[in-house]
Amino acid sequence: DTAVSQTPKYLVTQMGNDKSIKCEQNLGHDTMYWYKQDSKKFLKIMFSYNNKELIINETVPNRFSPKSPDKAHLNLHINSLELGDSAVYFCASSQDGVGHGYTFGSGTRLTVV
Amino acid sequence: DQQVKQNSPSLSVQEGRISILNCDYTNSMFDYFLWYKKYPAEGPTFLISISSIKDKNEDGRFTVFLNKSAKHLSLHIVPSQPGDSAVYFCAAKYQGAQKLVFGQGTRLTINP
Repeated sequence: DTAVSQTPKYLVTQMGNDKSIKCEQNLGHDTMYWYKQDSKKFLKIMFSYNNKELIINETVPNRFSPKSPDKAHLNLHINSLELGDSAVYFCASSQDGVGHGYTFGSGTRLTVV
Repeated sequence: DQQVKQNSPSLSVQEGRISILNCDYTNSMFDYFLWYKKYPAEGPTFLISISSIKDKNEDGRFTVFLNKSAKHLSLHIVPSQPGDSAVYFCAAKYQGAQKLVFGQGTRLTINP
């Protein structure tokens, strides 16, 4: 019974395409996040939602658009994919801020060709 | 502008010995620090944390030390076991912030 699940696990697509990554958590957490692990292996925050409200929006191209239909789901839609978007994207959730840390999904490896 | 850095990309330790993973940070406003462990094809999992009001926190084989004056923390694993082979991420947050700032990870390999 996966706590934070992301789909798909792998995604290979051509430049210029639009794609979505889905995330669901069954922990009852209030806050969800999208992180990107870049080629230098740093995990960098992209977005955060608390109870369906956007609370963090880092410097991310507006081709990236998060959508949170309810507090258990946070999807990431990417328009006009570029080669530089290739990375591993992690969804995470937390309760009451980050005092006890995040629970991460297993990641989505996006490859743009 | 990386506020959290793990300068050793990899570390190899013999089984049974102590593993010491290091992390440096630049933001003096950070007040809470965490270590995560990551296996291949999995997401990072929370391991241990420490508040800035402490200088040490211990949980079984894992101990985290915080040196605020040096802006440095370390994770000690003793004794090291083969199952400890993974990538370890250091993370930090400052008061009131919702986000964690991560380092780039250190790959720990425990040799039998």
